[in-house]
Amino acid sequence: EFVLTQSPGTLSLSPGERATLSCRASQSINNNYLAWYQQKPGQGPRLLFYGSSTRPTGIPDRFSGSGSGTDFTLTISRLEPEDFAVYFCHQYGSSPTFGQGTKVE
Amino acid sequence: EVQLVQSGTEVKKPGESLRISCEGSGFMFSSYWITWMRQIPGKGLEWMGRIDASDSFTKYNPSLQGQVTLSVDKSISTAYLQWSSLKASDTATYYCARYSGSYIAPDSWGQGTLVIVSS
Repeated sequence: EFVLTQSPGTLSLSPGERATLSCRASQSINNNYLAWYQQKPGQGPRLLFYGSSTRPTGIPDRFSGSGSGTDFTLTISRLEPEDFAVYFCHQYGSSPTFGQGTKVE
Repeated sequence: EVQLVQSGTEVKKPGESLRISCEGSGFMFSSYWITWMRQIPGKGLEWMGRIDASDSFTKYNPSLQGQVTLSVDKSISTAYLQWSSLKASDTATYYCARYSGSYIAPDSWGQGTLVIVSS
C-alpha cells in the first residue's frame, strides 16, 4: 500500500513567518504525480500544486512546491492570515492516496 | 466558471440505501473523470474511486470495492455515489472532484456532502 507521511502534524507560526511542510512517500512516485491542497473548515480542498511544483493559475507565488521521488516539500515564504489552514499532499497515480495533513495554526 | 455542486446533507439509518450527486457545469463533463473522496470528521481524506464520464469505466479503492457504486449520467453532467446498505462507519463528508486523467491533479472540487448514519 502506498503511504504518504506528512510532517509536522501541526505547525504553529505567526503571520510573516516561513512555513515548510514535508510529505514523504513509502515508495517513489512515478512522473511526480504529487499534488498539494489547502483546506479550510467547511470547504472543499483547493489545489495548490500538481506535478510536485506546477502552480495552477491564481495561486499566489508565496507558495512553492518542490521534490521528486519520495520526498516533497511545500513552502509558504511569508504567511498571510488567510494561509492558516490544513494542507494535504496527494499522490494521484494508479492507486491514489492522501497524507494525513499538516495544520498551520 | 467551473463548478461541481453536490447534493445536500443526508441523515440515514443503518441498512438504508442512499445516492448522492455531483453536478458539473462550466466545462465539458464527458472529457473528465469524476473522482470521489471521503473525510471522516477531524481526519484526513480517503480516495474512494473514480469514473470516466465518457464511458462510465470505473476504478475503485480496493478497500471499498463492493461497498459503494459509482455511476454517471453524462446527459445531465451528473455523477453519483451510492450505497445499498449504509453502516454507521459510512458517516463522513463526501467530496467529488474532476480529474483530467493526466498530469493535472483533481483541480475543481465540490463543496462536500455530509452523510450521517445513526440509529
